[in-house]
Amino acid sequence: SQTIHQWPATLVQPVGSPLSLECTVEGTSNPNLYWYRQAAGRGLQLLFYSVGIGQISSEVPQNLSASRPQDRQFILSSKKLLLSDSGFYLCAWSVPGAFSYGYTFGSGTRLTVV
Amino acid sequence: AQSVTQPDIHITVSEGASLELRCNYSYGATPYLFWYVQSPGQGLQLLLKYFSGDTLVQGIKGFEAEFKRSQSSFNLRKPSVHWSDAAEYFCAVSTYGQNFVFGPGTRLSVLP
Repeated sequence: SQTIHQWPATLVQPVGSPLSLECTVEGTSNPNLYWYRQAAGRGLQLLFYSVGIGQISSEVPQNLSASRPQDRQFILSSKKLLLSDSGFYLCAWSVPGAFSYGYTFGSGTRLTVV
Repeated sequence: AQSVTQPDIHITVSEGASLELRCNYSYGATPYLFWYVQSPGQGLQLLLKYFSGDTLVQGIKGFEAEFKRSQSSFNLRKPSVHWSDAAEYFCAVSTYGQNFVFGPGTRLSVLP
């Protein structure tokens, strides 16, 4: 069966420090991968999505970047964190072209920038 | 533009009462419709989905939803709410070639 892993679960980082959040999917090949952010009391904001290795689409200009170095690995990064980067970050995957299957989400990373 | 609205930001119900969470969408094509639930500090879990056939779909945890094309709605219902249902609920829509569009979410509180 397919599983999705996100880590770390919780992270407290100072302003100006770098960031690296990792997401991996097991049990499937060539998934579509997504990074979402939830700010406190707000909905889901799509940050990046990827349809293949090295293929990243950015939905919103951010202080963040994403990379997909391997088929089932998706990394969210920042060179210098801002206070506004605090939030709950969710990784998700979907089957390419199978729009009726929906997205499967990881358990999320709570990032607090101090 | 494609959009999903959930008119209720926060709903409070008593345990054992019935529940209906509203979802409306604006899409040019026939969409695929989903409801997700998010417990505090957790990821999103799929409750149910609709993509064709019977417009009343059953999901996990005793939830159901009804697709009404004429009203562009996909409301989530549960006949008797349990305290463990307190969570954030998201409606989502997708269509061919498009990424998911999520609604803003409805936070459900359950009174004992």
